[in-house]
Amino acid sequence: AQSVSQHNHHVILSEAASLELGCNYSYGGTVNLFWYVQYPGQHLQLLLKYFSGDPLVKGIKGFEAEFIKSKFSFNLRKPSVQWSDTAEYFCAVTPRINDMRFGAGTRLTVKP
Amino acid sequence: DAGVIQSPRHEVTEMGQEVTLRCKPISGHNSLFWYRQTMMRGLELLIYFNNNVPIDDSGMPEDRFSAKMPNASFSTLKIQPSEPRDSAVYFCASSPGTSGTDTQYFGPGTRLTVL
Repeated sequence: AQSVSQHNHHVILSEAASLELGCNYSYGGTVNLFWYVQYPGQHLQLLLKYFSGDPLVKGIKGFEAEFIKSKFSFNLRKPSVQWSDTAEYFCAVTPRINDMRFGAGTRLTVKP
Repeated sequence: DAGVIQSPRHEVTEMGQEVTLRCKPISGHNSLFWYRQTMMRGLELLIYFNNNVPIDDSGMPEDRFSAKMPNASFSTLKIQPSEPRDSAVYFCASSPGTSGTDTQYFGPGTRLTVL
């Protein structure tokens, strides 16, 4: 079945460590790609999105993601995490207009 | 703007009861989405509307689930009768247009517990 895969279920880092969260999808054709974040007790918020152009996308709070079409990947990165980045991160793909499919999410815990 | 508003924030009910979840999208947004989030299945799209018209309800799990959008500022998701396996957080989201590149803005969710 077509899907969005996030390989890491729970990542634990110390402050200032670098972060990379994996996301792979299996939909063919043109897709739009998103990363959303859900801070504890809050609703989902958009971190960044890609739909065309430069495959390296910069988002809010120092996050970036790189779209590698040949690998069907859209990994999220941040060079130096902070305690406030503790949250759940969701990769999402729209293989068709408005049909957004989410990955299972990766819980990030940043230790102070 | 207050963002997407959902009510109630928490709902506890007994099996067999009817449950109605409500959503007010951001003013001016043309698309509205209902999602369900569970530990087992993650975030799933249930149904979405463009300009108040249901476009794709293939994610609605069973006939017990129904959704309506009588006008541009209000939508409901109804479960009748409810079952314990319906326990989840239900999110409503809206987006400005009908393009797949539009950001979806999520509400705070309704945490439903069916006993």
